Amino acid sequence: DVKVTQSSRYLVKRTGEKVFLECVQDMDHENMFWYRQDPGLGLRLIYFSYDVKMKEKGDIPEGYSVSREKKERFSLILESASTNQTSMYLCASGHAESETQYFGPGTRLLVL
Amino acid sequence: DQQVKQNSPSLSVQEGRISILNCDYTNSMFDYFLWYKKYPAEGPTFLISISSIKDKNEDGRFTVFLNKSAKHLSLHIVPSQPGDSAVYFCAASVPPSNTGKLIFGQGTTLQVKP
Repeated sequence: DVKVTQSSRYLVKRTGEKVFLECVQDMDHENMFWYRQDPGLGLRLIYFSYDVKMKEKGDIPEGYSVSREKKERFSLILESASTNQTSMYLCASGHAESETQYFGPGTRLLVL
Repeated sequence: DQQVKQNSPSLSVQEGRISILNCDYTNSMFDYFLWYKKYPAEGPTFLISISSIKDKNEDGRFTVFLNKSAKHLSLHIVPSQPGDSAVYFCAASVPPSNTGKLIFGQGTTLQVKP
């Protein structure tokens, strides 16, 4: 079974804090993704990576950065958290040349 | 600009009846489509997919239909069960396929009443 784990299920942070969200997959997938899910907006892609140290902007990268130093780990960084970044964050992974993505359980982030 | 649209935010059906969830897309370059199911406090899970070379794909109670000329796909669940109550997302694969990049719709919340 594919397993995608995320470091926290719930996080509460203050405006201006630097926030790290970690994602680890155990299936040797080449591709990894970060999304945010908001009511009425579905899943929106923030960043993705198709190889170690490679990253591509998704549809809403502003205010975020990512790091992929190892194949199994993809980190999402909020450099200076703002209240409009309160959301559910979902990490996913998948094989190269496969459209199927496997998701982690999500991190619900509240920025006060 | 929403390239994948699910225009019905919610749907309620009786147990045993058919559930039909709809999805429209705007980009004719999309060539592979997927449906995901999401329970509260869990990540989405893959349900069923269809390639643009087909117009139908069936897996047990779940069937996806693709109408390329109308740029429309639908997910049929027959018979619906209370455990099917969840949010359903349709997604389209963005070429080139080796990035695995998907564009998701807004989601439709399905409630199946016992």
